[in-house]
Amino acid sequence: QKEVEQNSGPLSVPEGAIASLNCTYSDRGSQSFFWYRQYSGKSPELIMSIYSNGDKEDGRFTAQLNKASQYVSLLIRDSQPSDSATYLCAVTRSGGSYIPTFGRGTSLIVHP
Amino acid sequence: GAVVSQHPSWVICKSGTSVKIECRSLDFQATTMFWYRQFPKQSLMLMATSNEGSKATYEQGVEKDKFLINHASLTLSTLTVTSAHPEDSSFYICSARGSSGDFYNEQFFGPGTRLTVL
Repeated sequence: QKEVEQNSGPLSVPEGAIASLNCTYSDRGSQSFFWYRQYSGKSPELIMSIYSNGDKEDGRFTAQLNKASQYVSLLIRDSQPSDSATYLCAVTRSGGSYIPTFGRGTSLIVHP
Repeated sequence: GAVVSQHPSWVICKSGTSVKIECRSLDFQATTMFWYRQFPKQSLMLMATSNEGSKATYEQGVEKDKFLINHASLTLSTLTVTSAHPEDSSFYICSARGSSGDFYNEQFFGPGTRLTVL
């Protein structure tokens, strides 16, 4: 069974710090990796997608992928209170027939 | 990112009635759409995968006769909750996966529909 594991948290960081969110997955055939942000009572919002080993940066967000270790992470620099949300990791094989597997999410709290 | 709309955003209905929820990809084509349900403070639960022009694939434990899914075009999927009961009250969220272009393979969520069955 394909699994995606995330620490449920909450992860608490002070405003301005770097928040580091981690995700491991079990399916070695995974090729596509996504990070979503979900505010309480709202639907998930896609933040980043990453397909190759290494780092991918977008503004304050950096996704890191290590396929050999089956590990993907999301770094949030200069964390703001508005970043407080649940962050979901999703993993899938590429192709129309594959269903993404979501982790249960990590709750992030950024305190002033 | 791409936009997925969902209608209605909230609905209250009486027990025994049916409710239809629409999910549209507004600026991209989606061969595949997904329907999720989420209870308060719980994780997303995939209900079914909907492919344009074919029957939906339901996850184990999801009653296909109760949750009717139709994916009539590359931009529209509907979920009908038939004979709704209070235990069906939940947050229903659709998502659409881009089938080509800039949004290929990326999955975007609609804003969700909050269903309350009295």
